[in-house]
Amino acid sequence: AQKITQTQPGMFVQEKEAVTLDCTYDTSDPSYGLFWYKQPSSGEMIFLIYQGSYDQQNATEGRYSLNFQKARKSANLVISASQLGDSAMYFCAMKSDFGNEKLTFGTGTRLTIIP
Amino acid sequence: EAGVAQSPRYKIIEKRQSVAFWCNPISGHATLYWYQQILGQGPKLLIQFQNNGVVDDSQLPKDRFSAERLKGVDSTLKIQPAKLEDSAVYLCASSSPGTPNTEAFFGQGTRLTVV
Repeated sequence: AQKITQTQPGMFVQEKEAVTLDCTYDTSDPSYGLFWYKQPSSGEMIFLIYQGSYDQQNATEGRYSLNFQKARKSANLVISASQLGDSAMYFCAMKSDFGNEKLTFGTGTRLTIIP
Repeated sequence: EAGVAQSPRYKIIEKRQSVAFWCNPISGHATLYWYQQILGQGPKLLIQFQNNGVVDDSQLPKDRFSAERLKGVDSTLKIQPAKLEDSAVYLCASSSPGTPNTEAFFGQGTRLTVV
């Protein structure tokens, strides 16, 4: 079974600062992918970044990077130079690469950027 | 490329009534997910289809919820009879299976209020 844990219900960060959102996971699958999604107050789920379990390098997409530590089963999202538009809910999710490819989400972190 | 379409966007019903939600996934996406997202929580997978077959419905309350995906394209999720605790946003997502780094794409969701 897959499980995603996000231990930070809410975070407040000053504009232009960097922020790290924590995510730990548990799975018995040998190969899997980790995803981060952003959900603004409007409700849509926006894909941000992907990390494969066998990727040698940490994923980066613009201001988003993923600090992947496989041995510790963590996949933290780092947002550099935060902006007011980054205020939203952020969800970590994982999907196994084989079998039923079930996509499991964590409980989310509400990020608020302070001007 | 058209995104995942869901309708209706909002629905208010009384408890014990029935309701149906519709989802049209991205063309060519064989995997379709229905999630329930209660306010302040992460999305919870209700059912996952691969083409028109059910892959996972372990968290679907089968005494009141049903879903189908005829012809492997559109899908309908039904609740009958609805309870107050069914108030939530129902999200439909689709993805292309067999490609590990492919994210799931989400619709705008249907916000259900049961009174």
